Amino acid sequence: DTEVTQTPKHLVMGMTNKKSLKCEQHMGHRAMYWYKQKAKKPPELMFVYSYEKLSINESVPSRFSPECPNSSLLNLHLHALQPEDSALYLCASSQGGFYYNEQFFGPGTRLTVL
Amino acid sequence: GQQVMQIPQYQHVQEGEDFTTYCNSSTTLSNIQWYKQRPGGHPVFLIQLVKSGEVKKQKRLTFQFGEAKKNSSLHITATQTTDVGTYFCAGDYGGSQGNLIFGKGTKLSVKP
Repeated sequence: DTEVTQTPKHLVMGMTNKKSLKCEQHMGHRAMYWYKQKAKKPPELMFVYSYEKLSINESVPSRFSPECPNSSLLNLHLHALQPEDSALYLCASSQGGFYYNEQFFGPGTRLTVL
Repeated sequence: GQQVMQIPQYQHVQEGEDFTTYCNSSTTLSNIQWYKQRPGGHPVFLIQLVKSGEVKKQKRLTFQFGEAKKNSSLHITATQTTDVGTYFCAGDYGGSQGNLIFGKGTKLSVKP
């Protein structure tokens, strides 16, 4: 199974809502990532989890809160978002360990903040 | 900070023509990866280049990594409509856990 799954596919939320994005992989990968991608822009790294520990936080506002319950799951908790946070949120995973090689991306969650 | 420059931003070609996109970093890369994102899709890994001067081929696609490990290119021979999409290079500077710096991408359109 070489697939990264993400739910939901689409999400519309108000600025006062709390919601969560979910990501799952069963490839035995030990590194997982959250990216944000705006239209016509490259993916922008938000967080990296390595062996279930947060290893990189790219100065992301606290209204985004990542969580890695186990090696297969990655969540992104959203609270009090702004309209400018509307984007495609991509999850990815890679083997991890000494060689951080190819990243497998999920299909993404398209988020709209009203 | 670390930055990967990618040109051109857009490329429109007639089917059968060749296509090339270039990436450049001001500092030495540990490795460089290439991804393709179809319209409405997500990035899909194409290849990773690690060694200085490395050249890899995948059918009509040829990937090169410069001798100084600061630049890379992707060349597609005889484009087809299935090649449509945005091609991203992503530089890894090493020393951190898979932190890829993506170029801005080259959007390829192919006219049949």
